[in-house]
Amino acid sequence: EVQLLQSGGGLVEPGGSLRLSCAASGFTFSRYAMNWVRQGPGKGLEWVSIIGGTSGDTESADSVKDRFTISRDNSKNMLYLQMNSLRVEDTAVYYCVGDGYDYWGQGTLVTVSS
Amino acid sequence: DVVMTQTPLSSPVTLGQPASISCRSSQSLVHSDGNTYLSWLHQRPGQPPRLLFYKISNRFSGVPDRFSAGGAGTDFTLKISKVEAEDVGVYYCMQATQFPRTFGQGTKVEIK
Repeated sequence: EVQLLQSGGGLVEPGGSLRLSCAASGFTFSRYAMNWVRQGPGKGLEWVSIIGGTSGDTESADSVKDRFTISRDNSKNMLYLQMNSLRVEDTAVYYCVGDGYDYWGQGTLVTVSS
Repeated sequence: DVVMTQTPLSSPVTLGQPASISCRSSQSLVHSDGNTYLSWLHQRPGQPPRLLFYKISNRFSGVPDRFSAGGAGTDFTLKISKVEAEDVGVYYCMQATQFPRTFGQGTKVEIK
């Protein structure tokens, strides 16, 4: 059974940093690209970043470029999102998502507020 | 960026009646590899989205056959033949043909 178990998140002040983690199981993690998608309170879905399976190639939304870094550790089946210079508008539930948007983590809330 | 436009944004439906959601993209979603990476997702309140269809009309595992999807190029449709209570929530189309990936605004399906 595919599982994506997220951790991290919480309350942080504007300008602060946070790291999200996602532990994958039930599939050959290294073979698949992985995404982060977020959803602001009461809002729709916004794609954040993607990382290739073995290449490690990344793409990110302009709204987070140069502030957020997606990474992975295939030896540990782990996906990460390092979020720096956080802004109020980054407040959202963040989801770890499989390559085909077929599997989603449970989501973790990031609140940026003073 | 590819803009995904869904209509309607709200769809009150009677149980057992059909429902239909349209999704239009601002650019063709045909990838250079020949595939069209258009997916449909369903999100119930308080839950993560779940995949319904990928590459326009490929039904994901466990999706009931009362759901169908189709379209081509820039115009796509999701249909529910007979709405059931568990179908309430928000439906999103999304494209994974180009970066950045983009989602429609969402269509809220509720029971009348």
